[in-house]
Amino acid sequence: ETGVTQTPRHLVMGMTNKKSLKCEQHLGHNAMYWYKQSAKKPLELMFVYSLEERVENNSVPSRFSPECPNSSHLFLHLHTLQPEDSALYLCASSQVAGVNTGELFFGEGSRLTVL
Amino acid sequence: EDQVTQSPEALRLQEGESSSLNCSYTVSGLRGLFWYRQDPGKGPEFLFTLYSAGEEKEKERLKATLTKKESFLHITAPKPEDSATYLCASPRGRRALTFGSGTRLQVQP
Repeated sequence: ETGVTQTPRHLVMGMTNKKSLKCEQHLGHNAMYWYKQSAKKPLELMFVYSLEERVENNSVPSRFSPECPNSSHLFLHLHTLQPEDSALYLCASSQVAGVNTGELFFGEGSRLTVL
Repeated sequence: EDQVTQSPEALRLQEGESSSLNCSYTVSGLRGLFWYRQDPGKGPEFLFTLYSAGEEKEKERLKATLTKKESFLHITAPKPEDSATYLCASPRGRRALTFGSGTRLQVQP
């Protein structure tokens, strides 16, 4: 496996379900991110983890719960979602050293549909 | 927080028809401007980083340029495989990025 891998690629869930999205990076990076991409809207930053510590929570509703057990893995736990949460959820990683180089490595995303 | 605005929203070109995409930004002090390409159903792929006005970067048929107020992504003699959404982004702190809405480019044979 190389790069950033996300599973599942597609997920359909009801509003009362609990599910999780998984992301794994094989690049040795020290920062990981969750972004949300909805139709006709820019990518929205949700969470940032640096060295397994959450350093940013961009006013995301509590029905989204991130977890970063180590520098290679990132989860997004989902519960009691709303139909408007249907979107493409993208995981990314980067190596942070000083100046922001702007080089994020994205996975292919998890397409979530909430019924 | 820096903001980036992209135009046009969509662009349709004939194969070989060169054009440019625009990304304008509002910044208090430029700390970088970044370009990405996103194919349907996939995550964005990094293309270029620009830090200074006057800076240029090239990759195959793409050339990114930067002025004090905006960046352009020039596409020379595009091919159908250049069809994608092109995103520009500005730094958000030391790590993350703020993205524009993108330009959907379609190159017809």
